[in-house]
Amino acid sequence: QVQLVQSGAEVKKPGASVKVSCKASGYIFTGYDLHWVRQAPGQRLEWMGWISVGNGNTKYSQKFQGRVTITRDTPADTAYMEFTSLRSEDTAVYYCAREIDRGGARYFDFWGQGTLVTVSS
Amino acid sequence: DIQMTQSPSSLSASIGDRVTVTCRASQSITSYLNWYQQKPGKAPNLLISAASTLQSGVPSRFSGSGSGTDFTLTISSLQPEDFATYYCQQSYSSPRTFGQGTKVEIK
Repeated sequence: QVQLVQSGAEVKKPGASVKVSCKASGYIFTGYDLHWVRQAPGQRLEWMGWISVGNGNTKYSQKFQGRVTITRDTPADTAYMEFTSLRSEDTAVYYCAREIDRGGARYFDFWGQGTLVTVSS
Repeated sequence: DIQMTQSPSSLSASIGDRVTVTCRASQSITSYLNWYQQKPGKAPNLLISAASTLQSGVPSRFSGSGSGTDFTLTISSLQPEDFATYYCQQSYSSPRTFGQGTKVEIK
């Protein structure tokens, strides 16, 4: 069965960086795009960016451009999201999600369990 | 960026009630509209894709409609397990954007 398993919770100081992993199983890793979405406490879901796992192309939200980098390790079936220059307002749960794109429909069908990143001095 | 606006932000309803949540896009997104259910401490779960396609395993009391800029999620008879927050999301273009959520609470 399809699973996306993320790395564990992190506590970081302001200005630090974090790298969250998302290990895929149960499907052909290179066949689907992976997106990263975050959710600050009590806030809406916020899209950060995505990677075309097959060719490594990426696209990022303008809001996070310059601070976020999404990569993948295809032999390891794992994607990574690195976020730099962390601020307190970046405290959130970070999710990876697989996107299906077929015949006029495009949606996130499987999500990781989420990784809580806490930014605090 | 395409802005997604849901209404209401929250609602209180009783078991068996019919519940309707609306979602409006700031520009046409044709049918690239998805609905997710999220329970506290959990990842979102896809309910409906392409505005009206019910996902496998999702109860038939959930339905979606709309196209262009205006969309609706309907729960025909609210059940105890439906108390959650519901999000619409457009997948017409990047950045993918979500509504602010509608929290469905027990009356």
